[in-house]
This record gives sequence, structure tokens and C-alpha cells, in this order.
Amino acid sequence: SQQGEEDPQALSIQEGENATMNCSYKTSINNLQWYRQNSGRGLVHLILIRSNEREKHSGRLRVTLDTSKKSSSLLITASRAADTASYFCATDAENNDMRFGAGTRLTVKP
Amino acid sequence: EPEVTQTPSHQVTQMGQEVILRCVPISNHLYFYWYRQILGQKVEFLVSFYNNEISEKSEIFDDQFSVERPDGSNFTLKIRSTKLEDSAMYFCASSGFPLDTQYFGPGTRLTVL
Repeated sequence: SQQGEEDPQALSIQEGENATMNCSYKTSINNLQWYRQNSGRGLVHLILIRSNEREKHSGRLRVTLDTSKKSSSLLITASRAADTASYFCATDAENNDMRFGAGTRLTVKP
Repeated sequence: EPEVTQTPSHQVTQMGQEVILRCVPISNHLYFYWYRQILGQKVEFLVSFYNNEISEKSEIFDDQFSVERPDGSNFTLKIRSTKLEDSAMYFCASSGFPLDTQYFGPGTRLTVL
């Protein structure tokens, strides 16, 4: 089964710095999505990028998708302490179920 | 803004007992999903549901699990005889169309003692 796999597993930065997280997957996809999860809480959808898109922006978020390398990156610019969370990429397949990676734990120090 | 809701937020049960986890998807959505996240591990797909039937299920979704849409608003996950390893967060999600964004509920934390 295909799964998104994020790296790094953990990332610690200072407030104001940019955070980049990467995701790789194994098979062809229709969409790739990024979610955030605050500790012990639900998943919040951040951004969806379709397989025919290469880059997408939403506020301080920038997502890129390289289908030839089967990889995606999530960039958070000018990070804030409130960005501290786990970030997951999720890939979908023909049947619309999603496969999640293990996530990147981002810590933004004030 | 419409949102997916789940109840209860935390369920504690004894091993072998049946539990029903409830979800109210976004009202005009047609596709429904359950996911599980064991503490400290990745989110795992369990099952998808459309038009009153299961569309797809993972290898985790064995005969102990069942899903139902008993009325026009609720979507339930039943675990017939809980095991210790069923302890996890269970997330419900819904989407309007296939391949569309799935919106997640806040989750139900299930603890099996």
C-alpha cells in the first residue's frame, strides 16, 4: 500500500524561522494533502495539491509537489510558537481512502 | 463553518465489551471515513463508506468492526468485542465528492482496560 513518509521526524526551530518538511510516497496519486495535529487533538486540513499542480500557497504555507520524484514539501514561513504541532502528509488513491505518513513533529521555540 | 463532530470525546471500556463511536459528518457530504491513531503512531485508514455501503476497508477493519449510517445524520463505528490493542484515537472524516478534501472530526479517545 502506498504511504506518505515525512522527514524529518522531528524539527526544532526558533520563532521567525522557516520550517520545511518533506513527504515521499510510493505510487501514483490523485491528490496529496497536508494536515496538522496539535498534541492529542484532531487533524486539521491545511492544504490539498492535485497531481497536476506543482505549487500551492495558503497564507504562510507553501506546498510543492514533484510527481516525478514522488515527493512533496511543506514550507511554513515566519514560524510562530503556535505552529508547534505534528504535520502529516496524506496521499489518496483511486478509492479515495488516504494513507498517512508518520508525521513530522515541529517545535517552534519562542 | 460546518464541522464534523464526534461523541464521546473519551470512552473507557473493559476488554470484551462492545463500543459504538458516533460521528456526525458535514450535512451535505456523501463520503464517510474512519481512521485510527494508536498513541504515538501514524494515522491509519480503517474504512470508507458511500451510498450505505462500505467502499473500501483496510486489513485492520476485521470482523470485529462494523459501520452504519442509522439515520440521515449519524455515522457509527462499532467494535464488537474490544481488545487492549484497540485503544487509540478514532477519527471520523467526511467529504463531498470523491478525491475531495476530507474534513476530520476531533476524534474519540478509546481506552480499553
